[in-house]
Amino acid sequence: SYDLTQPPSVSVSPGQTATITCSGHNLGYRYTCWYQQKTGQAPALVIYQDTKRPSGIPERFSGSNSGNTATLTISETQAMDEADYYCQAWDSSTVVFGGGTKLTVL
Amino acid sequence: DVQLVESGGGLVQPGGSLRLSCVGSGFTFGSYWIFWVRQVPGKGLAWVSHIKTDGTTTSYADSVKGRFIISRDNDKNTVFLQMNSLTAADTGVYYCGRDHFGSGSGWLDPWGQGTLVTVSS
Repeated sequence: SYDLTQPPSVSVSPGQTATITCSGHNLGYRYTCWYQQKTGQAPALVIYQDTKRPSGIPERFSGSNSGNTATLTISETQAMDEADYYCQAWDSSTVVFGGGTKLTVL
Repeated sequence: DVQLVESGGGLVQPGGSLRLSCVGSGFTFGSYWIFWVRQVPGKGLAWVSHIKTDGTTTSYADSVKGRFIISRDNDKNTVFLQMNSLTAADTGVYYCGRDHFGSGSGWLDPWGQGTLVTVSS
């Protein structure tokens, strides 16, 4: 089975840039997306096809994917960005999620 | 507004069965793949199953294969998840999600609010 690995937690100060990584074998050859899940809420798509933002997602959210690592970057991080973030990719017609990263805005 | 609403969760004994429903509105339901994802409270997301637009093609996680059956009724804008032989490991919040582009993108958008399944004696 295909595994995606994320750091369990990332901390960032308000106004700074947060970087969350997602690692998998040759992940750069697959499209990756990212979900944000705030406490008590359902996940929401924030990045798809590696770099694209759904409508309504602030430009502060961006993504990249190359080699073995996909990256979610949140610029000028705000308190409202505090949440769990999950990466996701396809493998052999199955959906694979990373373990999730808790982003804390200190 | 595009919306998905799950129902059917509850408390069930080990070995029992439950049928979840996911009703969509605000979009052409029959043109979209639908996914089920579960989450143990406090833990991560785990894909369970998905069904293509006409219902003839389905996929399952190994952990539920042979026990869960996904189906859909496009006339009623509903996807079902029939869960049999339930164990404690099946406990969690079950979300349904729509394929972002309709068919095969694999990106779930939007998601429903979830329905809690608790398997316990």
